[in-house]
Amino acid sequence: EVQLLQSGGGLVQPGESLRLSCVVSGFTFSTYPMSWVRQAPGKGLEWVSAISGTGGSTFYTDSVKGRFTVSRDNSKNTLYLQLHSLTVEDTAVYYCAKGEVASTYYFEYWGQGTLVTVSS
Amino acid sequence: DIQMTQSPSSLSASVGDRVTITCRASQGISNHLAWYQQKAGKAPNSLIYAASRLQSGVPSKFSGSGSGTDFTLTITSLQPEDFATYYCQQYYNYPPTFGGGTKVEIK
Repeated sequence: EVQLLQSGGGLVQPGESLRLSCVVSGFTFSTYPMSWVRQAPGKGLEWVSAISGTGGSTFYTDSVKGRFTVSRDNSKNTLYLQLHSLTVEDTAVYYCAKGEVASTYYFEYWGQGTLVTVSS
Repeated sequence: DIQMTQSPSSLSASVGDRVTITCRASQGISNHLAWYQQKAGKAPNSLIYAASRLQSGVPSKFSGSGSGTDFTLTITSLQPEDFATYYCQQYYNYPPTFGGGTKVEIK
């Protein structure tokens, strides 16, 4: 059974940093690209970042480039998102999502989500 | 970026009804279209991929159609557990983009 278990959210002040984690099981982690998708309170879904199976390629939506860093440790079956210079606009539930080998950005499996609140 | 426009943004329906949600892409995306269901406080759940292929375990009351720029999600015999928000998403082009969502409420 595929599972994605997230941790690391919380309340931070503007300008601070946070790291999100997503531990996966039930599939060969290193084979699959992974993404982060976020959802601001009461809003729709927004793709944030993606990383290839090897970790050699990373991608970001424009609003987080230079502030967020996606990474993965295939030996630990864990995906990370490091968030820096956070602003109130980054307040959202962040989901990790498993891509497919043939379709990087089709997300069959999602984590349970973790809330990041940026407020002074 | 490809814009995905869903309509309606919300609808009210009764148990047993058939509902149709539409999704329009700002440019052609072939059949690289997915539909997700999201219940309040929960992660999205994949329903359909490749515009019309049902995800494993999803009941056949859900169906998708379309190609190019215009797509539909149809739910037959609406049940209480189907009341949720539904999102379309294109994965044809980078970056992937989602529609604004359609909230299906009980009439």
